[in-house]
This record gives sequence, C-alpha cells and structure tokens, in this order.
Amino acid sequence: DTGVSQDPRHKITKRGQNVTFRCDPISEHNRLYWYRQTLGQGPEFLTYFQNEAQLEKSRLLSDRFSAERPKGSFSTLEIQRTEQGDSAMYLCASSLTARETQYFGPGTRLLVL
Amino acid sequence: AQSVSQHNHHVILSEAASLELGCNYSYGGTVNLFWYVQYPGQHLQLLLKYFSGDPLVKGIKGFEAEFIKSKFSFNLRKPSVQWSDTAEYFCAVNLNTNAGKSTFGDGTTLTVKP
Repeated sequence: DTGVSQDPRHKITKRGQNVTFRCDPISEHNRLYWYRQTLGQGPEFLTYFQNEAQLEKSRLLSDRFSAERPKGSFSTLEIQRTEQGDSAMYLCASSLTARETQYFGPGTRLLVL
Repeated sequence: AQSVSQHNHHVILSEAASLELGCNYSYGGTVNLFWYVQYPGQHLQLLLKYFSGDPLVKGIKGFEAEFIKSKFSFNLRKPSVQWSDTAEYFCAVNLNTNAGKSTFGDGTTLTVKP
C-alpha cells in the first residue's frame, strides 16, 4: 500500500499521560498536514510541514502539542498531559505541493479517559 | 478567517434520485475549492476540485460541482444516486496561497435507500 499510513489506529489513554502518533506520507510528498476531527465536525487544520520545516501552527495547537518531521519523511504528533478534550480523530495528509491533491491517512482515534 | 458552511447535515434519498449538496464559504479573495467523500470505514478521498477555469467541475463517480463566485458557493451534484454513494461528504476551501491548508465544512451524511 503506497498511501498515507498512520500508527496507531486507535489509542486509549488516561488523562495526564503523553501520547505520540506517527504519520508516514506518500513517498516524495513534500507537504504534510495534521488535522483534528471531532464527532459531527469536519477536519480542523493543526499544522503543516514543507519537508522538515514546520511552517504554520493553528491556535488550536496548544503548547501541550508538538509535531516534528525529521528529515522530511515521517512525522510525529505528540500530546503531553492529555486532557479529555483531546479525544478526537487525528488525521494526516500529504501532497506533492501546496496546489496538489491532499491524500489522507486513516487517522488515529484518541480516547482520553 | 475563512469558514465553510454545509447546509444539510443529513440527506436521505432513494436510488436514482438527484442529489445536490450545498456549500458556501466566507472569503472574498481567490480560493481553491474541494469536495471530499468518506465512505464507511474508509479514508477521506477527493471527489473533485476547482482551482481556476471552467466553473463547472467534473469529478469521479459521476459527481460534478459548480463554482458560483457571486454566491460564494460550490454545490455538489449528481443526477442519479446509487446505494454505493452512501457516505459523508465534506466541502473544503483553501486560500490560493502557498499554504495549502484547508478549512472544512462539518459534512453532510448521505444515505441512499436501495
């Protein structure tokens, strides 16, 4: 499968714990985006990378959230000291350039108890 | 900041009925427009997109959308739906800049009865 992959697909954690998600974009895609989706809503932009550079972060991304894309390949999204409000589907997408189609991964569903 | 409004949260149709899903956005500048579909248990995938040119855009599986700039709208249409079109549909917009980040509507769930 040469699409966008995300790991894990599901994560259940207790409030206060740290979690890390991984996204592997389509090979050679320079752009990588993170979105968050809660029930009944569309995806909301969190942050994006051009190669290894993180170019923009949404104000939704509090200081408990950090994202990296070392070497411009896979990306990780870490949430520290999770809160129940962090429960959501975290989506990753990649594209060749800004104007090309964004291909979405299956998402990581996070449940914070 | 731009916003996207999808008027119908849930639409129920019988097979062969015609479909039109509304999408309006709020931004006065140049935008790129998209419709995505998410079939049950699958990833979001692109149905069609508009960047420039002919405002009537044709996508996969017989879908089309019309960009009406004066109405800030990008409605999705299909003349005859099938049971397999049952899915959630999202309209999205991004500014015609180098960012590429998209703003999504809250989605419309389409149920097609066989």
